[in-house]
Amino acid sequence: SAVISQKPSRDICQRGTSLTIQCQVDSQVTMMFWYRQQPGQSLTLIATANQGSEATYESGFVIDKFPISRPNLTFSTLTVSNMSPEDSSIYLCSVASGQGLSYEQYFGPGTRLTVT
Amino acid sequence: DQQVKQNSPSLSVQEGRISILNCDYTNSMFDYFLWYKKYPAEGPTFLISISSIKDKNEDGRFTVFLNKSAKHLSLHIVPSQPGDSAVYFCAASSGTYKYIFGTGTRLKVLA
Repeated sequence: SAVISQKPSRDICQRGTSLTIQCQVDSQVTMMFWYRQQPGQSLTLIATANQGSEATYESGFVIDKFPISRPNLTFSTLTVSNMSPEDSSIYLCSVASGQGLSYEQYFGPGTRLTVT
Repeated sequence: DQQVKQNSPSLSVQEGRISILNCDYTNSMFDYFLWYKKYPAEGPTFLISISSIKDKNEDGRFTVFLNKSAKHLSLHIVPSQPGDSAVYFCAASSGTYKYIFGTGTRLKVLA
């Protein structure tokens, strides 16, 4: 499986500011995703990061709030814009690996964001 | 509407005994299921998967059982070890890379 790193591992930010999270994979991957895990909640898919084109967002998530870049097959960034305390979560990037219709997803270590 | 449910938020088991973690789903289109383990300050780690064409998959101490008619799957850990103490998530997909995750069960294995 791919080795995935994220930066920063954690941050405390003031409301109204923005934070960009980086995700680096040690091999080229086609499918890369961003998830959010709010306190006590399950993992929720924010968007699929598409290389060379705009990300595909899930219902409830918009590009203005969570802009995503994917300049190549090993790197992606997620920005959390104009933050509020409700954005305090763990943000995770993941990659998909598999064949046919059977995919496993492998996750990075996560970025723990606290907004004050 | 929570399509994947883990109704037990926590579970305590004695070391050496069996841990059984349960997961229920509502969408009959789900055909591939995963279990993940998550330690604090780490990302989820993939454990084991099962396709809907099977009712059991085994990998070492971990076995996943799928009951399609009941829309229920379970993860058995035998024997349980203190290092198994973590939060366990089940996840389901319907033939795509998109997974719906449960809310997790915190397992504590007592030495």
